[in-house]
Amino acid sequence: GAVVSQHPSRVICKSGTSVKIECRSLDFQATTMFWYRQFPKQSLMLMATSNEGSKATYEQGVEKDKFLINHASLTLSTLTVTSAHPEDSSFYICSAREVRTGGAQDTQYFGPGTRLTVL
Amino acid sequence: AQKVTQAQTEISVVEKEDVTLDCVYETRDTTYYLFWYKQPPSGELVFLIRRNSFDEQNEISGRYSWNFQKSTSSFNFTITASQVVDSAVYFCALSGIDTGANSKLTFGKGITLSVRP
Repeated sequence: GAVVSQHPSRVICKSGTSVKIECRSLDFQATTMFWYRQFPKQSLMLMATSNEGSKATYEQGVEKDKFLINHASLTLSTLTVTSAHPEDSSFYICSAREVRTGGAQDTQYFGPGTRLTVL
Repeated sequence: AQKVTQAQTEISVVEKEDVTLDCVYETRDTTYYLFWYKQPPSGELVFLIRRNSFDEQNEISGRYSWNFQKSTSSFNFTITASQVVDSAVYFCALSGIDTGANSKLTFGKGITLSVRP
């Protein structure tokens, strides 16, 4: 259980185009999903917290208009990188928080990541 | 503010050696979660363990064991009889227990473990 998928796994695009990345929790409902960015040989940096049915909460320094997040259902969140530029090239990882009924027992499960290359 | 320090950046061992990955954390919360994740070369983060701050019992799972010392704010991870498949980047992470923003994970910088045959 607790499987999170991401699509696509790898994308190459031209500068100026927009790219949409999907994150799905396959066997559980996730009221909260998180989007991270990871540069080579570095740790994960949280970009935003996505709550189902409400606006995402962005971390300081993350441009809301550039990284559009939509959490339309309890199993799907999308990240759209608008007008992508080479500096946006990175590994984008989502996670979904499984909340178990009856207690503060929750763990973030991560998707396999999407490697974005902007030419 | 929360902080996770993984002072070791790269560790290289020979297969079958034991190896301990260190993790030290800082938080003002009285209750919190600690995690370890493994990131193999494929990139996907694999959940290894979650520990509640009020449970200081050490845990063993096969070749993996974790030593939680609240007095020193450490949550170290030991791999016994390491194998080549253990080669990966290992992240220690911390979060609050409450829902919402407090459940954000704060990651350490990661430790790259290389196990040589």
